Amino acid sequence: DGGITQSPKYLFRKEGQNVTLSCEQNLNHDAMYWYRQDPGQGLRLIYYSQIVNDFQKGDIAEGYSVSREKKESFPLTVTSAQKNPTAFYLCASTSWGGSNQPQHFGDGTRLSIL
Amino acid sequence: AQTVTQSQPEMSVQEAETVTLSCTYDTSESDYYLFWYKQPPSRQMILVIRQEAYKQQNATENRFSVNFQKAAKSFSLKISDSQLGDAAMYFCAYRSAVQGGSEKLVFGKGTKLTVNP
Repeated sequence: DGGITQSPKYLFRKEGQNVTLSCEQNLNHDAMYWYRQDPGQGLRLIYYSQIVNDFQKGDIAEGYSVSREKKESFPLTVTSAQKNPTAFYLCASTSWGGSNQPQHFGDGTRLSIL
Repeated sequence: AQTVTQSQPEMSVQEAETVTLSCTYDTSESDYYLFWYKQPPSRQMILVIRQEAYKQQNATENRFSVNFQKAAKSFSLKISDSQLGDAAMYFCAYRSAVQGGSEKLVFGKGTKLTVNP
């Protein structure tokens, strides 16, 4: 079945450490997105990518980095510069081009500080 | 920038009854899409229903329907014959239809729906 796979499900970060969240999709979608979810905040966009080797900052990109070397993959690195990384992270993808197709979401990764 | 507001942090409904969740949005665009997503305790985001702004007819999906008022920038979700499995966080989301745009979703802060047996 086609879908989006996020791993790991739970992740712990030590002070000063960078950690990488994986997102893989087999839906042949062009665009991929990373959202952060905090209690009472809804989802906020971190980064997005519409084509391979190109990505754009979202609303809260500071302290995060991404890469898009393959269409299927869009990993997110939470760097040590992100001072409050504890949150639930959701990856999404969609066909790009003005269609009304909804974004499909992965099951998420919960990141906590040790 | 577009914004989405859900004014009801929490709602409750009796099983088999009907409940309406409110959503308003602010945009200067004329063409866009609106979505309702459901997030159960498993945290998975599930699409409930979507509406194209150029369509005057309100979207329906089984027990779920919307009341789309474009001039008022309102997009409420009605759940009929509520079931225990409907208990979840519900998010309203906006997406621009501008060609070449990011197609990102702008979310409201969510409404937690409790269904009482």
